[in-house]
Amino acid sequence: DSGVTQTPKHLITATGQRVTLRCSPRSGDLSVYWYQQSLDQGLQFLIHYYNGEERAKGNILERFSAQQFPDLHSELNLSSLELGDSALYFCASSGTANYGYTFGSGTRLTVV
Amino acid sequence: AQSVTQLGSHVSVSEGALVLLRCNYSSSVPPYLFWYVQYPNQGLQLLLKYTTGATLVKGINGFEAEFKKSETSFHLTKPSAHMSDAAEYFCAVSDTTSGTYKYIFGTGTRLKVLA
Repeated sequence: DSGVTQTPKHLITATGQRVTLRCSPRSGDLSVYWYQQSLDQGLQFLIHYYNGEERAKGNILERFSAQQFPDLHSELNLSSLELGDSALYFCASSGTANYGYTFGSGTRLTVV
Repeated sequence: AQSVTQLGSHVSVSEGALVLLRCNYSSSVPPYLFWYVQYPNQGLQLLLKYTTGATLVKGINGFEAEFKKSETSFHLTKPSAHMSDAAEYFCAVSDTTSGTYKYIFGTGTRLKVLA
Protein backbone atom coordinates (compact mmCIF):
# COMPACT_ATOMS: atom_id res chain seq x y z
CA ASP A 1 0.00 0.00 0.00
CA SER A 2 1.61 3.23 -1.20
CA GLY A 3 -0.57 5.48 0.94
CA VAL A 4 -2.23 7.06 -2.12
CA THR A 5 -5.78 5.79 -2.55
CA GLN A 6 -7.64 5.85 -5.83
CA THR A 7 -11.24 4.87 -6.33
CA PRO A 8 -12.78 3.17 -8.13
CA LYS A 9 -10.22 0.67 -9.41
CA HIS A 10 -12.26 -0.14 -12.50
CA LEU A 11 -14.94 1.80 -14.32
CA ILE A 12 -16.88 0.80 -17.40
CA THR A 13 -19.14 3.39 -18.92
CA ALA A 14 -20.75 4.34 -22.21
CA THR A 15 -19.75 7.04 -24.65
CA GLY A 16 -21.16 10.44 -23.82
CA GLN A 17 -21.28 9.77 -20.10
CA ARG A 18 -19.55 11.57 -17.25
CA VAL A 19 -17.44 9.97 -14.52
CA THR A 20 -15.55 11.14 -11.44
CA LEU A 21 -12.27 9.61 -10.31
CA ARG A 22 -11.17 10.15 -6.76
CA CYS A 23 -7.73 10.36 -5.19
CA SER A 24 -6.66 10.66 -1.56
CA PRO A 25 -3.01 11.66 -1.25
CA ARG A 26 -0.49 10.25 1.18
CA SER A 27 -0.81 11.75 4.64
CA GLY A 28 1.01 15.08 4.77
CA ASP A 29 1.39 15.51 1.01
CA LEU A 30 -0.07 18.75 -0.32
CA SER A 31 0.43 18.09 -4.03
CA VAL A 32 -1.69 15.87 -6.24
CA TYR A 33 -0.79 15.12 -9.84
CA TRP A 34 -3.01 13.37 -12.38
CA TYR A 35 -1.62 11.31 -15.25
CA GLN A 36 -3.21 9.35 -18.06
CA GLN A 37 -1.55 6.15 -19.24
CA SER A 38 -2.53 4.68 -22.58
CA LEU A 39 -0.83 2.33 -25.02
CA ASP A 40 -0.47 4.92 -27.76
CA GLN A 41 0.33 8.03 -25.68
CA GLY A 42 2.25 6.57 -22.75
CA LEU A 43 2.16 8.48 -19.46
CA GLN A 44 0.80 11.98 -20.02
CA PHE A 45 0.68 14.69 -17.36
CA LEU A 46 -2.80 16.12 -16.98
CA ILE A 47 -2.87 18.55 -14.07
CA HIS A 48 -1.22 19.47 -10.75
CA TYR A 49 -2.90 20.82 -7.63
CA TYR A 50 -1.09 22.12 -4.58
CA ASN A 51 -3.05 22.73 -1.38
CA GLY A 52 -6.24 23.41 -3.29
CA GLU A 53 -4.73 25.58 -6.02
CA GLU A 54 -4.15 24.58 -9.61
CA ARG A 55 -0.42 24.85 -10.31
CA ALA A 56 0.06 23.43 -13.78
CA LYS A 57 -1.90 22.01 -16.67
CA GLY A 58 -0.66 19.57 -19.21
CA ASN A 59 -2.40 17.80 -22.05
CA ILE A 60 -5.80 17.92 -20.41
CA LEU A 61 -8.83 18.07 -22.64
CA GLU A 62 -11.48 20.74 -22.08
CA ARG A 63 -13.94 17.92 -21.33
CA PHE A 64 -11.81 17.04 -18.32
CA SER A 65 -11.59 19.04 -15.11
CA ALA A 66 -10.19 18.53 -11.65
CA GLN A 67 -10.24 20.05 -8.22
CA GLN A 68 -8.61 19.57 -4.86
CA PHE A 69 -10.71 19.93 -1.75
CA PRO A 70 -9.81 21.38 1.68
CA ASP A 71 -9.13 17.88 3.02
CA LEU A 72 -6.63 17.55 0.11
CA HIS A 73 -8.38 14.78 -1.73
CA SER A 74 -8.76 15.40 -5.44
CA GLU A 75 -11.29 14.51 -8.07
CA LEU A 76 -10.84 14.23 -11.81
CA ASN A 77 -14.05 14.72 -13.76
CA LEU A 78 -14.27 13.34 -17.28
CA SER A 79 -17.32 14.24 -19.36
CA SER A 80 -18.72 13.55 -22.84
CA LEU A 81 -16.60 10.43 -22.81
CA GLU A 82 -15.23 9.02 -26.05
CA LEU A 83 -13.79 5.61 -26.83
CA GLY A 84 -10.33 7.17 -26.93
CA ASP A 85 -10.60 8.21 -23.30
CA SER A 86 -10.21 4.57 -22.28
CA ALA A 87 -6.99 4.46 -20.27
CA LEU A 88 -5.43 4.05 -16.86
CA TYR A 89 -5.68 7.22 -14.81
CA PHE A 90 -3.13 7.63 -12.05
CA CYS A 91 -2.84 10.14 -9.34
CA ALA A 92 0.36 10.75 -7.47
CA SER A 93 1.15 12.83 -4.44
CA SER A 94 4.26 14.54 -3.20
CA GLY A 95 5.50 16.77 -0.45
CA THR A 96 6.95 20.23 -0.86
CA ALA A 97 10.34 18.99 -2.03
CA ASN A 98 10.90 17.28 -5.36
CA TYR A 99 11.96 13.90 -4.12
CA GLY A 100 9.65 11.76 -6.22
CA TYR A 101 6.00 11.06 -6.41
CA THR A 102 4.08 8.34 -4.68
CA PHE A 103 1.59 6.84 -7.11
CA GLY A 104 -1.77 5.31 -6.47
CA SER A 105 -2.71 2.02 -8.09
CA GLY A 106 -4.80 3.73 -10.73
CA THR A 107 -8.34 3.70 -12.10
CA ARG A 108 -8.85 1.72 -15.28
CA LEU A 109 -11.51 3.45 -17.35
CA THR A 110 -13.15 1.58 -20.20
CA VAL A 111 -15.51 3.52 -22.45
CA VAL A 112 -17.78 1.31 -24.56
CA ALA B 1 11.11 21.86 -23.28
CA GLN B 2 12.21 18.78 -21.44
CA SER B 3 12.07 15.32 -22.89
CA VAL B 4 13.17 11.79 -22.15
CA THR B 5 14.16 9.05 -24.58
CA GLN B 6 14.31 5.45 -23.54
CA LEU B 7 16.17 3.30 -26.04
CA GLY B 8 14.63 -0.12 -26.48
CA SER B 9 10.98 -0.68 -25.72
CA HIS B 10 11.76 -4.32 -24.89
CA VAL B 11 14.89 -5.75 -23.29
CA SER B 12 15.51 -9.41 -22.52
CA VAL B 13 18.24 -10.68 -20.23
CA SER B 14 19.06 -14.02 -18.72
CA GLU B 15 18.67 -14.53 -15.00
CA GLY B 16 21.94 -13.52 -13.35
CA ALA B 17 23.04 -11.30 -16.24
CA LEU B 18 23.63 -7.56 -16.18
CA VAL B 19 20.61 -5.35 -16.63
CA LEU B 20 21.15 -2.10 -18.56
CA LEU B 21 18.20 0.14 -19.39
CA ARG B 22 19.02 3.31 -21.27
CA CYS B 23 17.64 6.78 -20.69
CA ASN B 24 18.69 10.05 -22.31
CA TYR B 25 17.16 13.36 -21.36
CA SER B 26 16.93 16.85 -22.69
CA SER B 27 16.65 19.79 -20.33
CA SER B 28 17.65 23.43 -20.45
CA VAL B 29 17.92 23.60 -16.67
CA PRO B 30 19.55 21.28 -14.14
CA PRO B 31 17.30 18.24 -14.19
CA TYR B 32 15.92 16.04 -11.51
CA LEU B 33 15.86 12.48 -12.84
CA PHE B 34 13.90 9.46 -11.72
CA TRP B 35 13.43 5.80 -12.50
CA TYR B 36 10.11 4.13 -11.75
CA VAL B 37 9.05 0.49 -12.05
CA GLN B 38 5.57 -0.71 -12.89
CA TYR B 39 4.47 -4.28 -12.26
CA PRO B 40 1.38 -5.58 -14.07
CA ASN B 41 -1.87 -4.02 -12.86
CA GLN B 42 -0.06 -1.82 -10.37
CA GLY B 43 0.95 1.78 -10.02
CA LEU B 44 4.45 3.10 -10.49
CA GLN B 45 6.98 2.65 -7.72
CA LEU B 46 10.00 4.90 -7.30
CA LEU B 47 13.26 3.00 -7.80
CA LEU B 48 15.74 5.83 -7.42
CA LYS B 49 16.26 9.53 -8.02
CA TYR B 50 18.97 12.02 -8.85
CA THR B 51 18.53 15.55 -7.54
CA THR B 52 21.93 17.05 -6.80
CA GLY B 53 25.25 15.84 -5.46
CA ALA B 54 26.62 12.36 -6.05
CA THR B 55 26.11 11.30 -9.64
CA LEU B 56 25.91 7.59 -8.87
CA VAL B 57 22.67 6.89 -7.08
CA LYS B 58 21.57 3.65 -5.53
CA GLY B 59 17.98 2.58 -5.31
CA ILE B 60 15.85 -0.25 -4.14
CA ASN B 61 16.15 -3.89 -5.23
CA GLY B 62 19.84 -3.54 -6.12
CA PHE B 63 19.37 -1.02 -8.93
CA GLU B 64 21.60 1.98 -9.47
CA ALA B 65 21.93 4.74 -12.04
CA GLU B 66 24.61 7.22 -13.00
CA PHE B 67 23.91 10.80 -14.01
CA LYS B 68 26.26 11.82 -16.83
CA LYS B 69 25.76 15.45 -17.72
CA SER B 70 28.16 15.36 -20.67
CA GLU B 71 26.19 12.51 -22.22
CA THR B 72 22.77 13.69 -20.99
CA SER B 73 22.18 10.16 -19.80
CA PHE B 74 20.79 8.44 -16.73
CA HIS B 75 21.06 4.72 -17.47
CA LEU B 76 19.71 2.16 -15.02
CA THR B 77 21.78 -0.91 -14.14
CA LYS B 78 21.65 -3.97 -11.95
CA PRO B 79 24.58 -6.40 -11.80
CA SER B 80 22.51 -9.57 -11.69
CA ALA B 81 18.95 -9.90 -12.95
CA HIS B 82 16.35 -11.78 -10.96
CA MET B 83 13.09 -13.19 -12.24
CA SER B 84 11.22 -10.74 -10.02
CA ASP B 85 12.76 -7.81 -11.95
CA ALA B 86 10.48 -8.50 -14.92
CA ALA B 87 8.39 -5.34 -15.21
CA GLU B 88 8.14 -2.09 -17.12
CA TYR B 89 10.61 0.64 -16.28
CA PHE B 90 10.09 4.35 -16.82
CA CYS B 91 12.63 7.14 -16.77
CA ALA B 92 11.35 10.63 -15.93
CA VAL B 93 12.70 14.16 -15.83
CA SER B 94 11.39 17.19 -14.02
CA ASP B 95 12.59 20.73 -13.95
CA THR B 96 13.61 22.54 -10.84
CA THR B 97 12.37 26.02 -11.54
CA SER B 98 8.73 26.20 -12.46
CA GLY B 99 7.11 25.73 -9.04
CA THR B 100 5.45 22.56 -10.21
CA TYR B 101 7.20 19.25 -10.19
CA LYS B 102 5.46 17.76 -13.19
CA TYR B 103 7.38 14.85 -14.64
CA ILE B 104 7.94 14.02 -18.27
CA PHE B 105 8.09 10.26 -18.63
CA GLY B 106 9.78 8.18 -21.26
CA THR B 107 7.82 5.61 -23.21
CA GLY B 108 9.00 2.80 -20.97
CA THR B 109 11.16 -0.32 -21.36
CA ARG B 110 9.66 -3.71 -20.71
CA LEU B 111 12.24 -5.99 -19.12
CA LYS B 112 11.94 -9.71 -19.62
CA VAL B 113 14.11 -12.05 -17.54
CA LEU B 114 14.79 -15.46 -19.04
CA ALA B 115 15.35 -18.50 -16.85
